[in-house]
Amino acid sequence: DAGVTQSPTHLIKTRGQQVTLRCSPKSGHDTVSWYQQALGQGPQFIFQYYEEEERQRGNFPDRFSGHQFPNYSSELNVNALLLGDSALYLCASSLSDSQETQYFGPGTRLLVL
Amino acid sequence: QKEVEQDPGPLSVPEGAIVSLNCTYSNSAFQYFMWYRQYSRKGPELLMYTYSSGNKEDGRFTAQVDKSSKYISLFIRDSQPSDSATYLCAMSEDKIIFGKGTRLHILP
Repeated sequence: DAGVTQSPTHLIKTRGQQVTLRCSPKSGHDTVSWYQQALGQGPQFIFQYYEEEERQRGNFPDRFSGHQFPNYSSELNVNALLLGDSALYLCASSLSDSQETQYFGPGTRLLVL
Repeated sequence: QKEVEQDPGPLSVPEGAIVSLNCTYSNSAFQYFMWYRQYSRKGPELLMYTYSSGNKEDGRFTAQVDKSSKYISLFIRDSQPSDSATYLCAMSEDKIIFGKGTRLHILP
């Protein structure tokens, strides 16, 4: 049973560009959450998707947007990249009624130059 | 005051010792309390979760929650070099809030 997978593993972009990160949840999970983890910090909640809709959102600007597809996979889009967006982006999946048991993917490491 | 406070360490202990990791929090509405382990360049791995107050044990790991003190702990018995990692506490009311993580080194 495959766990949470994310692609790509690494990405280098320049300021002002746009990026799309992808996540496939653990089999049987219907809820996907995205987190940003800066170096030396804990993950920070960006938003959560359930039934193809954004259910909750953290304190991130509108440059961060997402999407969930009918097969529960998800994308995170970041527009107008800033140097400060450099971080590890983590996807976590869970069942909608069991958010305390989230399973994380390996992350996508984004570097903005 | 941050919602979740966690000492970043590093914490170095000899192999076989009991490790104590702790977090404090300010939001009394938190209901679920989790501990994650994160190895370098990997995603966090859920170790344990506890609902409300009390203790929970799983093998060498014990999680404790004291809601009256807004304080949670993770104890690791018979620590092994493979336990060397960053340990993240997390808690939730609706969204999950993480601590900064404590870097733990188990010395052989």
